[in-house]
Amino acid sequence: DAGVIQSPRHEVTEMGQEVTLRCKPISGHDYLFWYRQTMMRGLELLIYFNNNVPIDDSGMPEDRFSAKMPNASFSTLKIQPSEPRDSAVYFCASRPDRGGNTIYFGEGSWLTVV
Amino acid sequence: SQQGEEDPQALSIQEGENATMNCSYKTSINNLQWYRQNSGRGLVHLILIRSNEREKHSGRLRVTLDTSKKSSSLLITASRAADTASYFCATDAGAGNTGKLIFGQGTTLQVKP
Repeated sequence: DAGVIQSPRHEVTEMGQEVTLRCKPISGHDYLFWYRQTMMRGLELLIYFNNNVPIDDSGMPEDRFSAKMPNASFSTLKIQPSEPRDSAVYFCASRPDRGGNTIYFGEGSWLTVV
Repeated sequence: SQQGEEDPQALSIQEGENATMNCSYKTSINNLQWYRQNSGRGLVHLILIRSNEREKHSGRLRVTLDTSKKSSSLLITASRAADTASYFCATDAGAGNTGKLIFGQGTTLQVKP
């Protein structure tokens, strides 16, 4: 099993630029989660999808953030325009609909906005 | 806001000693999970305990759950240097399967060889 695949692993961008983070969940998983991790705020749930439909986006910080899941095997998290305070590690995770709510994380996308 | 709060925030022990980490949460739960995160990596699931269970074991891991106190503990026995990592508790949203998991702030464990 390939696991959850995220890209890019590392990105350094200038303030004001658009950032797109990508995620391929584990095949057959019905839920997809985007988390953000910082030293100050820990691990925050930004948004999650069930069967490609956004269920709860209450954790999305502001309108600069948007997430899409056009199909079962691909999701994007976009920040436009990016700001230095968006610097964080962004994790994508997925889980199947059945079998408990254990989730499987990708290795993260390390974003630095300068 | 975070559902779970871990205690202590950091823990440093010698190899062979036991490590105990605690987690408190605020709302009712269906289950509680513990995850591990090595530096620079994603989180990995360790163990899940249901709300009707009081204790669960997996290898050198022992988890307890006290729903009356809304708290859980993770005990790692006979620690090894390879156990050095951050450990997080995670709770679901309680009634109904919303699919949502909320993580605590984590305990950073250092095991010295």
